[in-house]
Amino acid sequence: NAGVTQTPKFQVLKTGQSMTLQCAQDMNHEYMSWYRQDPGMGLRLIHYSVGAGITDQGEVPNGYNVSRSTTEDFPLRLLSAAPSQTSVYFCASSLGQGAGNEQFFGPGTRLTVL
Amino acid sequence: KQEVTQIPAALSVPEGENLVLNCSFTDSAIYNLQWFRQDPGKGLTSLLLIQSSQREQTSGRLNASLDKSSGRSTLYIAASQPGDSATYLCAVRHEENGNQFYFGTGTSLTVIP
Repeated sequence: NAGVTQTPKFQVLKTGQSMTLQCAQDMNHEYMSWYRQDPGMGLRLIHYSVGAGITDQGEVPNGYNVSRSTTEDFPLRLLSAAPSQTSVYFCASSLGQGAGNEQFFGPGTRLTVL
Repeated sequence: KQEVTQIPAALSVPEGENLVLNCSFTDSAIYNLQWFRQDPGKGLTSLLLIQSSQREQTSGRLNASLDKSSGRSTLYIAASQPGDSATYLCAVRHEENGNQFYFGTGTSLTVIP
């Protein structure tokens, strides 16, 4: 299994540009989520999905869109990039929502918005 | 809102020492707590998960305990090695909203050979 994969690894955008961060998992996990990691603030949940066709907002959803058309893929779209969205983005997945289900993380995408 | 705190923010120990990392959370209504390791520029690697009904979990030289009522968890690392150098993060899954996870800001561990 490849686990959780993310592309690209690095990205530089100009203010106002849009882009999609890709996330895929091959473990047949129902639950997937996106986090951003900023210095001194820990990881914060952006959006999550409990299954194909179902998404919901996390703690910091503004400026981001998600969709889940398949179990495997959970892309994160930046609609109009802003310097405040400069961060490291992590995708995670778990088998389900039960208390015994671990979260597994991808390697991250480092995004810089100029 | 759940607040998760990890103290100290950084820790440096000589190789071979046993050490304890601390994680505290303000709302005891948690579903589970998970400890992760993060190497510089890398993603998070799961170390241990403790369900709210459990008191501790062990994996090799690692032992994690959970005291839900007092809002605390500790990660014990026995006989530390330079390869243990990394940032250690804890995260709690909220009971009321099982889809919401809250992370601490981590403890950066350096093990000196």
